[in-house]
Amino acid sequence: NAGVMQNPRHLVRRRGQEARLRCSPMKGHSHVYWYRQLPEEGLKFMVYLQKENIIDESGMPKERFSAEFPKEGPSILRIQQVVRGDSAAYFCASSPSLWDTQYFGPGTRLTVL
Amino acid sequence: EDQVTQSPEALRLQEGESSSLNCSYTVSGLRGLFWYRQDPGKGPEFLFTLYSAGEEKEKERLKATLTKKESFLHITAPKPEDSATYLCAVPHGSSNTGKLIFGQGTTLQVKP
Repeated sequence: NAGVMQNPRHLVRRRGQEARLRCSPMKGHSHVYWYRQLPEEGLKFMVYLQKENIIDESGMPKERFSAEFPKEGPSILRIQQVVRGDSAAYFCASSPSLWDTQYFGPGTRLTVL
Repeated sequence: EDQVTQSPEALRLQEGESSSLNCSYTVSGLRGLFWYRQDPGKGPEFLFTLYSAGEEKEKERLKATLTKKESFLHITAPKPEDSATYLCAVPHGSSNTGKLIFGQGTTLQVKP
C-alpha cells in the first residue's frame, strides 16, 4: 500500500507567482489534512477536506490560499501571489476515518524568491 | 485553550543511555495522543497512538505511555539511528474535525 504522495517535493516561485501543491492520499483514505511548517516553528493545521468538501479551513490564511479535493484526482493546495513569508514545508496527511491516525506525506518545500 | 508542550527541546544522549521525552497536554476531551518521528527534510512518520490513561505501547527501543495530563516516550538503549525530532500531537478538543495540535518537538541526538 503506497503511502501519502506529494508533489512536487521542491518548488521555487518568485514573488507574485502561483504555487500548486498536490497530495494523493493513501488508498482507502477519504480524509485529507494540510499542515504547514514554517522555519523554526512547529506544524500548524491549515485545512481539512473530504471528497468534494472543505470541512474545516480555520487554519488557512483568509486571502490567497485555497484548497480542493475533487471527486477524481489529488487534493490541491493553491497559493496565489506568493510572498516570501509563504516559504515553508507543506505537509499533507490522510486518514481512513475521523479520529483515526493521520499518515503524512514527504512534504513540499516551497521557496519564494 | 488546547495546548501541547514538549520537553526538553533538545536532548543529547550517548549510545545506550536511556531517557524519556515528555509531552504535556491540555485539551477538552482527549480523542487520542499521537507520537511521530521526523527526520530532517522528511515528513512525520507515525509511531504510536494512545487513547486512554494507563495505556502503553512499545516498538523496538521505544515505549509510549499516557496519563491524564501527559505522555512519555521512553527510549531504551538508544542507537545513533534513533536521532530525530520526536513530535506529539492531540486532536483539537472543541472542534469535530480531527485537526491535530502539535508540540514543538524534542530533537534527539544519540552519539556513538
